[in-house]
Amino acid sequence: AAGVIQSPRHLIKEKRETATLKCYPIPRHDTVYWYQQGPGQDPQFLISFYEKMQSDKGSIPDRFSAQQFSDYHSELNMSSLELGDSALYFCASSYSGAPKNIQYFGAGTRLSVL
Amino acid sequence: SQQGEEDPQALSIQEGENATMNCSYKTSINNLQWYRQNSGRGLVHLILIRSNEREKHSGRLRVTLDTSKKSSSLLITASRAADTASYFCATDAGRDDKIIFGKGTRLHILP
Repeated sequence: AAGVIQSPRHLIKEKRETATLKCYPIPRHDTVYWYQQGPGQDPQFLISFYEKMQSDKGSIPDRFSAQQFSDYHSELNMSSLELGDSALYFCASSYSGAPKNIQYFGAGTRLSVL
Repeated sequence: SQQGEEDPQALSIQEGENATMNCSYKTSINNLQWYRQNSGRGLVHLILIRSNEREKHSGRLRVTLDTSKKSSSLLITASRAADTASYFCATDAGRDDKIIFGKGTRLHILP
């Protein structure tokens, strides 16, 4: 079965550069979530989209923005990167019509800011 | 904010033993889920228990939920080396709501 696809898997950037992470949800899933997980930390919710509209916002810095496109894929744009942005970034998707709010996670993008 | 706190933070047991991990949360919830994460990998959903359920089983997994104490436990029976991973509980307050992860328990199964 198709899973959540994230690209790239690894990304190395310099401070003050920009980065774009992509997420392709499971087909028919209409909700996408972004999480950030620092080393040894629990995943922290950043932002979510339902039907291409932002549905919830967590601890996402103002330097970050995200959107969901008409084909339901989502992109997380990160600007003015800082060393502290180095983390695993996960995307998850779910289907709002399902009876349970189970989120299916991608393998993540490991971002290293040098 | 509602947030799960796992305990213990780390657990090492011998293969074949049972592993129990606990999670506490702060506010009312609709569901509580347990996820597993192998080192540096994505999270994998294990089991979901609704707020009106007290116990749920799935294979070697047993989850309990005590809403009066705002706590849950995950029991893995007859542990295997492949169970070595971090385990997170996650709570949500609504069907389309974000889920909030706890700090996680790092489980290490010794051969």
